[in-house]
Amino acid sequence: EDQVTQSPEALRLQEGESSSLNCSYTVSGLRGLFWYRQDPGKGPEFLFTLYSAGEEKEKERLKATLTKKESFLHITAPKPEDSATYLCAVQTPDYKLSFGAGTTVTVRA
Amino acid sequence: DTEVTQTPKHLVMGMTNKKSLKCEQHMGHRAMYWYKQKAKKPPELMFVYSYEKLSINESVPSRFSPECPNSSLLNLHLHALQPEDSALYLCASSQPTGGTGYTFGSGTRLTVV
Repeated sequence: EDQVTQSPEALRLQEGESSSLNCSYTVSGLRGLFWYRQDPGKGPEFLFTLYSAGEEKEKERLKATLTKKESFLHITAPKPEDSATYLCAVQTPDYKLSFGAGTTVTVRA
Repeated sequence: DTEVTQTPKHLVMGMTNKKSLKCEQHMGHRAMYWYKQKAKKPPELMFVYSYEKLSINESVPSRFSPECPNSSLLNLHLHALQPEDSALYLCASSQPTGGTGYTFGSGTRLTVV
């Protein structure tokens, strides 16, 4: 059975304190791994797609990496505006998108 | 235009009402999706339309009825809902293989009373 597990559930950071979020997955035939950011009451906002082990992508203070079993989202020197829930999702061979439960990040000034 | 627009943003309906949620995209995407999201939970897939045809129905109760009138529009017709159906309903679109990413709308916050 396909499974996506994110950890930790919640992360409280001081402004400037770098950290990493983990997304581990078991999927038969991964087509792609997606990271989204979601603010309360809003739809998920696309961040990155990763397709193969070893791939890395960066956007401002965020960097996503992928191995055969997990993905990491690194947040470097976060700011309060980086506070959000970060969702990881995997695309299965039937092109469905299955989400993990998310990591809620709070960055204090 | 890189947006998925959902209307209304908020909806309160009684259990005997009939209402519809609407979704529109002009990105040339040929796959559109309905997701349901309860508070502090991840989005759960409900329906997938590919080239305007229903391709996936995730065993959703018949009180939810999707419709895709054309490649830009997606509707979700609601009838005889239950209070437990209260949630954020998200529409998304992508190319049929999802390769360039899935774009989500801001959602409709539905409350069933």
